[in-house]
Amino acid sequence: SQQGEEDPQALSIQEGENATMNCSYKTSINNLQWYRQNSGRGLVHLILIRSNEREKHSGRLRVTLDTSKKSSSLLITASRAADTASYFCATDARTGTYKYIFGTGTRLKVLA
Amino acid sequence: DAGVIQSPRHEVTEMGQEVTLRCKPISGHDYLFWYRQTMMRGLELLIYFNNNVPIDDSGMPEDRFSAKMPNASFSTLKIQPSEPRDSAVYFCASSRGDGYTFGSGTRLTVV
Repeated sequence: SQQGEEDPQALSIQEGENATMNCSYKTSINNLQWYRQNSGRGLVHLILIRSNEREKHSGRLRVTLDTSKKSSSLLITASRAADTASYFCATDARTGTYKYIFGTGTRLKVLA
Repeated sequence: DAGVIQSPRHEVTEMGQEVTLRCKPISGHDYLFWYRQTMMRGLELLIYFNNNVPIDDSGMPEDRFSAKMPNASFSTLKIQPSEPRDSAVYFCASSRGDGYTFGSGTRLTVV
């Protein structure tokens, strides 16, 4: 089944540094989304990027999409301890149905 | 808006018992999704509804699982009979067709 694979699986950085997470997927998509999940909580939507877009920004977040490589990256600039969470990409299947398949996630730890 | 509301937050039940998980989506959202999350398998889409109609239930593991959406403000996921391998966190999410809003989940433990 189509699924995003995040890389790395785990990332540990110091507060103030930038964090970059990558997502690769298998088949053509219409949209790709990124979500954050704090421990023991539900997922929170961060950003949606469409297949005809190459880059999107939201506050300290920057998402890129390369459809030729079937990959996306999420950059968090000037990280904070509160950014500690798991980050997931989710891709739709270009079949006209509206369902998203989630990747395996990157566990980010930001050290104060 | 109170967001997506799931109940109960935690459920511990004995193998063989029936379990019913409940979800109230955000008003105005016409898509509703049920996901299951485990360490081994990650987030799995079980079923989703559009305008209360089940669209894709291909992720429902087996006949022991069933889901209903009798109206736009309520959905249930039922497991009967439950088994230890059903232990997981079950999430409900709703959407208007863009990003999902997730509930806080139901942590199910089947002993």
